[in-house]
Amino acid sequence: DAKTTQPTSMDCAEGRAANLPCNHSTISGNEYVYWYRQIHSQGPQYIIHGLKNNETNEMASLIITEDRKSSTLILPHATLRDTAVYYCIGGSGGSNYKLTFGKGTLLTVNP
Amino acid sequence: GAVVSQHPSWVICKSGTSVKIECRSLDFQATTMFWYRQFPKQSLMLMATSNEGSKATYEQGVEKDKFLINHASLTLSTLTVTSAHPEDSSFYICSASPRTGVKKLFFGSGTQLSVL
Repeated sequence: DAKTTQPTSMDCAEGRAANLPCNHSTISGNEYVYWYRQIHSQGPQYIIHGLKNNETNEMASLIITEDRKSSTLILPHATLRDTAVYYCIGGSGGSNYKLTFGKGTLLTVNP
Repeated sequence: GAVVSQHPSWVICKSGTSVKIECRSLDFQATTMFWYRQFPKQSLMLMATSNEGSKATYEQGVEKDKFLINHASLTLSTLTVTSAHPEDSSFYICSASPRTGVKKLFFGSGTQLSVL
């Protein structure tokens, strides 16, 4: 697994965009960048993943730098329900690949 | 999206008893499932990789005789905590990835185990 570095915590105002950074300078060329989040006392929830290109889905956008050493997860309009721990993970994907979770970023969305 | 069902959601047991946790992929087949453990205010720690039809692969430091894993079908894996002790109290989470197609894991809702 590519080791990732994230801030321990962040705050965001409700309705504003939340931008969560992640450094993954050791990621290899065939490793994806995955983002998951975990709301308290629940199982992690998949958000988005990408390889080289920026990605967008109904939940978030993922911006990956050209050198692939870092990325930013963007929640365009954060709500109180987006308060969770967000994990950035490097992985090769596939059904047999295990994901190793770091400490993640606790995002607190404030009213 | 794909659904992984985990049962039970919570269980309380006496010290010395065994507890079984089930993990089912409801709408896809998974040749591999993963079991994690999470202590309060800590991240998820991978315990073992469950392979359909073969023995599980355990991470370093995880006792295979204490945490028995069975993956009898492409949609079901079970984790049995044998002779449970209070220090085994934790949040256990399973995950699975579809055998084909998407490259991502889907997680169960977790099982909170409390050993008295």
